Amino acid sequence: DQQVKQNSPSLSVQEGRISILNCDYTNSMFDYFLWYKKYPAEGPTFLISISSIKDKNEDGRFTVFLNKSAKHLSLHIVPSQPGDSAVYFCAASADSRAQKLVFGQGTRLTINP
Amino acid sequence: DSGVTQTPKHLITATGQRVTLRCSPRSGDLSVYWYQQSLDQGLQFLIHYYNGEERAKGNILERFSAQQFPDLHSELNLSSLELGDSALYFCASSVNFLPNEQFFGPGTRLTVL
Repeated sequence: DQQVKQNSPSLSVQEGRISILNCDYTNSMFDYFLWYKKYPAEGPTFLISISSIKDKNEDGRFTVFLNKSAKHLSLHIVPSQPGDSAVYFCAASADSRAQKLVFGQGTRLTINP
Repeated sequence: DSGVTQTPKHLITATGQRVTLRCSPRSGDLSVYWYQQSLDQGLQFLIHYYNGEERAKGNILERFSAQQFPDLHSELNLSSLELGDSALYFCASSVNFLPNEQFFGPGTRLTVL
């Protein structure tokens, strides 16, 4: 039972344009959501998070949007840069202490020059 | 470099064998989390230790066990290995329970032949 789904295994975007990565979840108990970025041969690194009491959180070029009614979140990267090429995972937790993070399968983002 | 170290980087073994994966958390971090990433899958939470005590369990098989030692390093023991146990195993550490402060190690790639 995949509670967090990233339906696009890969995404290709031109440098300077907007990258939009999507994530859907099924568990209505999830109240905290995170995005992680992963380069090859490295562990995931935290990127940005959002609590269910918000619908948007912004950090520089990265913005996460949460639509609770649709059980959907998205990560916007503007403008996209070559260094953004990586695998992006969304994750969710049923409490902010996140003793159990549930991850999606990941989306491989490629930024083309 | 997240400050979390994992050894070994790669491990190749045969079915039925037993292996031990090691994780050293960042200095000062009391929490250690273990995750499994199988091919084309997201990270699956296995287990969480805080200051030597087990705090949360995910879908960890009975053939797998973990512990956190007084010096806070952790070991994940995998026994009676099966082909399906081939995966990347990540550990992460955090000083507390906050999800955005989970720092991941580079992972151990286990191949079971």
